[in-house]
Amino acid sequence: DAGVIQSPRHEVTEMGQEVTLRCKPISGHNSLFWYRQTMMRGLELLIYFNNNVPIDDSGMPEDRFSAKMPNASFSTLKIQPSEPRDSAVYFCASSWTGGDDEQFFGPGTRLTVL
Amino acid sequence: AQSVTQLDSQVPVFEEAPVELRCNYSSSVSVYLFWYVQYPNQGLQLLLKYLSGSTLVKGINGFEAEFNKSQTSFHLRKPSVHISDTAEYFCAVSPPPGNLFFGTGTRLTVIP
Repeated sequence: DAGVIQSPRHEVTEMGQEVTLRCKPISGHNSLFWYRQTMMRGLELLIYFNNNVPIDDSGMPEDRFSAKMPNASFSTLKIQPSEPRDSAVYFCASSWTGGDDEQFFGPGTRLTVL
Repeated sequence: AQSVTQLDSQVPVFEEAPVELRCNYSSSVSVYLFWYVQYPNQGLQLLLKYLSGSTLVKGINGFEAEFNKSQTSFHLRKPSVHISDTAEYFCAVSPPPGNLFFGTGTRLTVIP
């Protein structure tokens, strides 16, 4: 199994630009999670999908952030417009909810907003 | 509601010494318990998990953890650490089915 795939691995953009992060979960998993990790705030859950439906988006910082999961094998996290304080590592994880809930993490996308 | 407390943000330890990373949790329901490790510039990977049964759980790389229900703890231990164990360690709980709640992490630094 290829594991959770994220792209791009690194993204450098200028303030005000739109940023789209992509995630392919492990085949057969029915839950997908987006996290943000910074030195100041640690690991934060942004949003959680189950069977492609957003279950909990209370961690999404503000309206500039949006996430979609159009099918079981793909999800995007979009930031529009981006700001320097959005600079962080963004992780995607997937799991089989109804099993033991172990989450499998992708390698992350390191976002730098100048 | 669930919460996880990792009591030590940083733990320095000499190579080949034992180490214990502490984790306490709060939950009104039965939970699954996990320890994840994050090496520099990588994602999180599972070290071990407790679902049910024996309270002593063995994981990868010589780590083990003991579930203590009365103390609501799930401390991680290794009898002899190696330089390669330098990483950040996260404790997490899951009130199944659903999400994981992570602690704030403990940075383990192994000193040669």
